[in-house]
This record gives sequence, structure tokens and C-alpha cells, in this order.
Amino acid sequence: DGGITQSPKYLFRKEGQNVTLSCEQNLNHDAMYWYRQDPGQGLRLIYYSQIVNDFQKGDIAEGYSVSREKKESFPLTVTSAQKNPTAFYLCASSIYRGRADTQYFGPGTRLTVL
Amino acid sequence: KNEVEQSPQNLTAQEGEFITINCSYSVGISALHWLQQHPGGGIVSLFMLSSGKKKHGRLIATINIQEKHSSLHITASHPRDSAVYICAVRAGGGADGLTFGKGTHLIIQP
Repeated sequence: DGGITQSPKYLFRKEGQNVTLSCEQNLNHDAMYWYRQDPGQGLRLIYYSQIVNDFQKGDIAEGYSVSREKKESFPLTVTSAQKNPTAFYLCASSIYRGRADTQYFGPGTRLTVL
Repeated sequence: KNEVEQSPQNLTAQEGEFITINCSYSVGISALHWLQQHPGGGIVSLFMLSSGKKKHGRLIATINIQEKHSSLHITASHPRDSAVYICAVRAGGGADGLTFGKGTHLIIQP
């Protein structure tokens, strides 16, 4: 089955530790995205990538880093510099042909920093 | 930066009722998306619109580009339609991400 996988579903970390969230897709999509969701707020864009080895900051990139070494994978690292890392993180992907396309979302990872 | 406003924030209705959720945005867009999020957190894309109207089963989405407004309708609502419905817009034609509304929490009571 084609789709997007995120692991783990729940993640707990101590304050001050870096943590990496996994996102893998087998849809052969060029574009991938990371969003953050907080209670009572809309999803916000952290980073996005249109092609391998290239990525762009979104609206709330501070305290996060990403890599795109393979088309299928777009891991997100939440660093100790992120002041409020506890949130629900969603990864998405889309075909990118120079125009808007439907985004497909993963199941999400709920990160809690203790 | 585009501002996306949804109304109502919360909606409780009886099974069978016709449901309307509204979305307005502040800046011209290339596409508008309607998404559904269930309690577990997973998000499903329902529609992507750039003009006119789309229908899928009991769901209908419309957009008025001149008025910067879109509506999502659910006919013959059912308890399984209970979810958060999210409107999101894309400003340009590139692969930059979406700007989201805060969502409408819909509960359909049997």
C-alpha cells in the first residue's frame, strides 16, 4: 500500500535533548512538508522540500532542522533550541509539477517533552 | 500573509441535518483545500478547489474566488461525520506549504 509513515506515534523526551521524527513516503512524491499542530491553533508549516537535497524554512523553523538525502525520507530534528517542543507533528507529501496538488498526510507523531 | 478564518468553531447537530462550514481568506490563492481530522489525529484530504464546486458522496465544496470564500456542505449528516474540518489555502503555484484555519469541530448526534 502506498502512503506516508511516521514513527513513532508517541514520543517522550527530556528537556534539553534533541529528538528526530521520522517521515517516509512510498508515493514517489517530490514535495514533502512538516507541520506542527497545537491545541486551538491551525497547523503551521515548519519546513518543506521540493526536491532531494533542497529544503526551505516555513513559518516556524526556529529550533528545528531537516534533511532530504533521499526522495522517500524527510526526517525532522527538534533541537534543544525549540522553546515549546511539545506538540503534534504531521508530515505530508505531494506531487509537485509546478502547480498546487493534493497533500497526503501521515498519521502524526505526538511529542511530549518532560 | 494569508489569514484563514473558519466558522463556526464548534457545531453540534442532529443526524440527518444539512451542515455548512464556512471559510474565508484574505489574499488571493491558487488553491483551497478542505481536510478532515479524526480524533486520533490523522488528516484526510477531502477536496482541492481552485474554482466552482466539487461533490463527493454527501460532501459538497464550493468556492467564490471574487469573495474569497468557500463552504463545505454535508448532506444527510451521520455520526461518523463527527470530526474536525479544516480549511487550508495555498498562495502560489509552487510547492510551498499550506496556510490553515483553526478548524471546525463537528459533532453529529444520533
